Amino acid sequence: GGIITQTPKFLIGQEGQKLTLKCQQNFNHDTMYWYRQDSGKGLRLIYYSITENDLQKGDLSEGYDASREKKSSFSLTVTSAQKNEMAVFLCASSIHRGDERLFFGHGTKLSVL
Amino acid sequence: SQWGEENLQALSIQEGEDVTMNCSYKTYTTVVQWYRQKSGKGPALIILIRSNEREKRSGRLRATLDTSSQSSSLSITGTLATDTAVYFCATEDNYAQGLTFGLGTRVSVFP
Repeated sequence: GGIITQTPKFLIGQEGQKLTLKCQQNFNHDTMYWYRQDSGKGLRLIYYSITENDLQKGDLSEGYDASREKKSSFSLTVTSAQKNEMAVFLCASSIHRGDERLFFGHGTKLSVL
Repeated sequence: SQWGEENLQALSIQEGEDVTMNCSYKTYTTVVQWYRQKSGKGPALIILIRSNEREKRSGRLRATLDTSSQSSSLSITGTLATDTAVYFCATEDNYAQGLTFGLGTRVSVFP
């Protein structure tokens, strides 16, 4: 079996700061995703990537950048952290686009002071 | 985009009881997936039901799908304390990007 590793597990930032979250998968999956999870709001798609160097915007992409330099890694950047923002960012992968069974990491919990 | 919705937000039950949660979705989907998320972990797929199936079973789990009413249900029989989690339904359609998740149902099972 494979695993998805997200770093860091907890991230505390300052308002206006640029923050980067990292995700690694060893499933050898083609497609990777970043979701944001707010309390009581389910999961919302920020970015996804169907292969190395590909980036596709989700519904929530404004305020974020992403990078997929290698097949196994997908990073997400919060371009300017918002004061009092608190959310969990979940990275996921799937075998390929069209097989939407997702495998998730444990998440990065972001708090902005 | 399409959003799935659960009709119940939080359920508290005793071990051994059965529980059912519902999900209604707004646009056509070829498959409904149910995920379980335990505290501090990411969601994990527990059962998947396709549009040509009305019912799917996996151990103590049973999922149903009614494409005419655009709704799905997840039942857990003989619940255990370890079933305590948030359960999400997720749908996909050919025009959206990946899966669309519902708000989730928090199930708390007490010994």
